[in-house]
This record gives sequence, C-alpha cells and structure tokens, in this order.
Amino acid sequence: DGGITQSPKYLFRKEGQNVTLSCEQNLNHDAMYWYRQDPGQGLRLIYYSQIVNDFQKGDIAEGYSVSREKKESFPLTVTSAQKNPTAFYLCASSSGQGPPQHFGDGTRLSIL
Amino acid sequence: DAKTTQPPSMDCAEGRAANLPCNHSTISGNEYVYWYRQIHSQGPQYIIHGLKNNETNEMASLIITEDRKSSTLILPHATLRDTAVYYCIVRVAGGNSGGSNYKLTFGKGTLLTVNP
Repeated sequence: DGGITQSPKYLFRKEGQNVTLSCEQNLNHDAMYWYRQDPGQGLRLIYYSQIVNDFQKGDIAEGYSVSREKKESFPLTVTSAQKNPTAFYLCASSSGQGPPQHFGDGTRLSIL
Repeated sequence: DAKTTQPPSMDCAEGRAANLPCNHSTISGNEYVYWYRQIHSQGPQYIIHGLKNNETNEMASLIITEDRKSSTLILPHATLRDTAVYYCIVRVAGGNSGGSNYKLTFGKGTLLTVNP
C-alpha cells in the first residue's frame, strides 16, 4: 500500500547529540513537510519542501535541518542547538490533488 | 487562513451519531473546510473536505451552513475506534505552485470520546 513511513517510532537522544529522523513516501508526492507536536497542542510546521533539492523554513525551524535529495525522502535532523527537542514529530506529504496532506505515524523523541 | 473554533471535548454513545461543530466566521470565498482526526500517538488522518455543498464519504458527512460560517462533521454510527481528536481546518485549496499548499494550521481540536 502507498503511504508514509517514519522511523524509528521511538528515539532517545543524549544531551548535545544530533539525531536524524527518517521519512519516506511512496505516494509520488512532490511536497513533504515536518511538523512538531507537543502534549495537548496542535501541530507546528518546522520545514517543508515543495520539490526535490528545495526546502523552506516553517514557523519553528531553529535547531533543525533537512535535506531533499530524493523525491521520496525528507529526513529531519534535530541538532544540539534545539533546546527543547522532546516532542512528537510528524512527517507529511501532498500532491496538490485531493486531501492536502497525508501523514506518517510519527516519531517520539525523548532526551536522556 | 481563517481561524476556527471547536469545543474542547464531546462525548457520544457507541452506535449513535456524533455531531462535531466548527465555527469559521471569517472564512473567505476560496477557502475549503477540511476535517482530520488524530488517534492517540498516531499521525492525523484526513476525513473529508468541502467548499459549500454538503459532502459524504465512507467515513463521515460534512454539513456546511449556507453562509459558510460554520460546519458540522457527522459520524453516523460512532464506534469506540472513533475516539480521537478531531480538527477542523480552513484553508485555500490548490497545488504546490504559489505556495498555498505548504501549511496546515492545526489548533487543539475536539476530543471526541465514544463510550460503550
């Protein structure tokens, strides 16, 4: 089945370490997105990419980095500069047709 | 994008219809109403969307008032698996060109609890 795969489901990071969250889609969608969700809150946009080799900052990009070398992949790196990285991270994609965005099942990041 | 207002929580008995309201009084003429839901610890799931006509699919029905300032999502026969946070989002539709597809603004939504 087509969809979005995020891995791992749970991730632990030590203070001062960078960590990369994986997001892969086989929907042939051009656009991909990363959101952050904190407990009891809505989603906040971190980065988005409308096409391969191009990406834009969202509302809370500080302390994060992304790359978009392939259409199907949009990894997110949480750097040591992100002071409050503990959160639920959601990846999404869209084609511009039908629903705006399809979501993966998320990665929960915790700091040890 | 227009702002939406939803009740923080609602309860529904299993097997009964769940009616979730959403106010969007500042909606523009080219903005659609989208509904998503999020089951605990999962990603949001698209349910339905509409512009001005009522819409129905296998999951739900969407009723939009004539003035488009409010809408209601209807789950006709709620089950325990429908317990989730439901988000009402208003935004323009469109493709990736022009940047209008780049963000969904999720508020806190409505926590629907379906009781046995």
